[in-house]
Amino acid sequence: AQSVTQPDIHITVSEGASLELRCNYSYGATPYLFWYVQSPGQGLQLLLKYFSGDTLVQGIKGFEAEFKRSQSSFNLRKPSVHWSDAAEYFCAVGANFGNEKLTFGTGTRLTIIP
Amino acid sequence: NAGVTQTPKFRVLKTGQSMTLLCAQDMNHEYMYWYRQDPGMGLRLIHYSVGEGTTAKGEVPDGYNVSRLKKQNFLLGLESAAPSQTSVYFCASSLGLAGVNEQFFGPGTRLTVL
Repeated sequence: AQSVTQPDIHITVSEGASLELRCNYSYGATPYLFWYVQSPGQGLQLLLKYFSGDTLVQGIKGFEAEFKRSQSSFNLRKPSVHWSDAAEYFCAVGANFGNEKLTFGTGTRLTIIP
Repeated sequence: NAGVTQTPKFRVLKTGQSMTLLCAQDMNHEYMYWYRQDPGMGLRLIHYSVGEGTTAKGEVPDGYNVSRLKKQNFLLGLESAAPSQTSVYFCASSLGLAGVNEQFFGPGTRLTVL
């Protein structure tokens, strides 16, 4: 069974600073990896996803993530954060072969300070 | 195009009471899901459906029942509410398998059981 670890519960960064949120997964084959964002009081929205091919994937709102098989990681990055990026971020792993379910990490809450 | 909607947005129950949460989607998606979100635990899958008339258990199904009588609706029922069911409930839908397809989330229902 697949699993996801997000080691950072809460991260605070200054507006304009760069951001990296960590995600480590466990899965026996090539995983399907997702990052979702949850703004306060809202449902989750897909930021980006990785299935295969180029290991650096671009998403919405200026986010990108890099898949590193050797490190079992799929870290989310943004070069310069905006106050509107304050939210909770969830990494998730899925799989093909008839897998109807997505496994979510516990989330990282991002606070932006002026 | 409303996407995924959930009714109600908030609810307070007393222990032992019953209620039904309604999820509706207008994207003609086959797959629908109910999650609960608790602090520090991410999203956990309660039940899901892979098509009209089908339901299946997720990670934490005990104390909940579901029905998918119409393709666009997915109902989550609590027959006898317990304080442990205090949570935020999210419905989601996807075109195909959640492990490989983007899920679209509703805004959530905040349930408190006293």
